Amino acid sequence: SYALTQPPSVSVSPGQTASITCSGDNLGNRYTYWYQQKTGQSPILVIYEDTKRPSGIPERFSGSISGNTATLTISGTQAMDEADYYCQSYDSTSVFGTGTKVTVL
Amino acid sequence: QVQLQQSGPGLVKPSQTLSLTCVISGDSVSSTSAAWNWIRQSPSGGLEWLGRTYYRTKWNSDYAVSVRSRITIDPDTSKNQVSLQLKSVTPEDTAVYFCAKGDYYFPFWGQGSPVTVSS
Repeated sequence: SYALTQPPSVSVSPGQTASITCSGDNLGNRYTYWYQQKTGQSPILVIYEDTKRPSGIPERFSGSISGNTATLTISGTQAMDEADYYCQSYDSTSVFGTGTKVTVL
Repeated sequence: QVQLQQSGPGLVKPSQTLSLTCVISGDSVSSTSAAWNWIRQSPSGGLEWLGRTYYRTKWNSDYAVSVRSRITIDPDTSKNQVSLQLKSVTPEDTAVYFCAKGDYYFPFWGQGSPVTVSS
């Protein structure tokens, strides 16, 4: 079955840049979506169609794609960005990545 | 703004049927530009898409292979809601269940319904 792989954890200092990768077969030919989930809450969409940011999502969140690896970048990371992040793609069915815990030290 | 309000029992016995409801406000379950999904999150944290229902010229449903033999997702147009039924549950079905709106991605989510399968 199709799988999306993310690093389990990423640590970042406040004000620095955090990068979270998501890899999968043929991902470059599909769109990638990114969600932020804080403890006890529902996921929130932060990036859609690889690079687009929904209304209300801060500009410090950006997405990119290179080959079969998508990347979510948080520039100028703030303490409030500490959360779990999941990528997701679609090809007849939806698949989520394994998730990355971002810790702001 | 779409709002999704979930309800249902938090405890289900093994071999029984898990049933959850998601009431939709701010949109119509019969919208021809929307799909209504159920997604679950295991205690270890992974997200798993379970299936969806949507109306185009007729009602359609798609289900994940992992649960296809046990799952039904139905619309209720009179109540503007969508339901999930998962039959023959085991402890491995213990999870937080979410309803979500979206065709290929999910901009709107319900609040989540924790369900424990235990005798």
